[in-house]
Amino acid sequence: DAGVIQSPRHEVTEMGQEVTLRCKPISGHDYLFWYRQTMMRGLELLIYFNNNVPIDDSGMPEDRFSAKMPNASFSTLKIQPSEPRDSAVYFCASTQGLAKNIQYFGAGTRLSVL
Amino acid sequence: GESVGLHLPTLSVQEGDNSIINCAYSNSASDYFIWYKQESGKGPQFIIDIRSNMDKRQGQRVTVLLNKTVKHLSLQIAATQPGDSAVYFCAEGGGGADGLTFGKGTHLIIQP
Repeated sequence: DAGVIQSPRHEVTEMGQEVTLRCKPISGHDYLFWYRQTMMRGLELLIYFNNNVPIDDSGMPEDRFSAKMPNASFSTLKIQPSEPRDSAVYFCASTQGLAKNIQYFGAGTRLSVL
Repeated sequence: GESVGLHLPTLSVQEGDNSIINCAYSNSASDYFIWYKQESGKGPQFIIDIRSNMDKRQGQRVTVLLNKTVKHLSLQIAATQPGDSAVYFCAEGGGGADGLTFGKGTHLIIQP
């Protein structure tokens, strides 16, 4: 398996633009997590899905952030409109329900909002 | 609020020496504790975990110790190698939550 695949690896955009981050989890995994990493706040859980259903989105910072998982092999995290303070590395991770302690992370998307 | 934190942001050790990375946690309801390793430009990678009903677990060159009395977690790396250079995160999970709560991380630097 190729692991968790995220795209793009880097994204540079201007304030006010819409940004869409993509994630393909490991086949067979039923949990998918979106995290954000910054120097100040570390790794923060934004939202997670179980069997494509959003379970907990309490970590989503604002209504500007939204996430979807239309099927078991694809998820998106959208920021609209983007702001400079959204600049961070966004990680997607997946796991199986019986082993939620072992999450497999993608390489991340480094987002810079100018 | 409850959180997972680390005592030291940077740890520098000589190649071949043993490394000990520490972590304090505050959520006594967590079922398991995990150590992740993050190399530059990559996502965190699972190293080892320990259940809350255990106090020690060993892996290949790594040992995790859990002291529930003082809510302390440590990661010991034996015979540190250059490839061990990375940021190490402790995390906690379970206790009714599916997600993980991560600490801020410790940067391990290996001196030749």
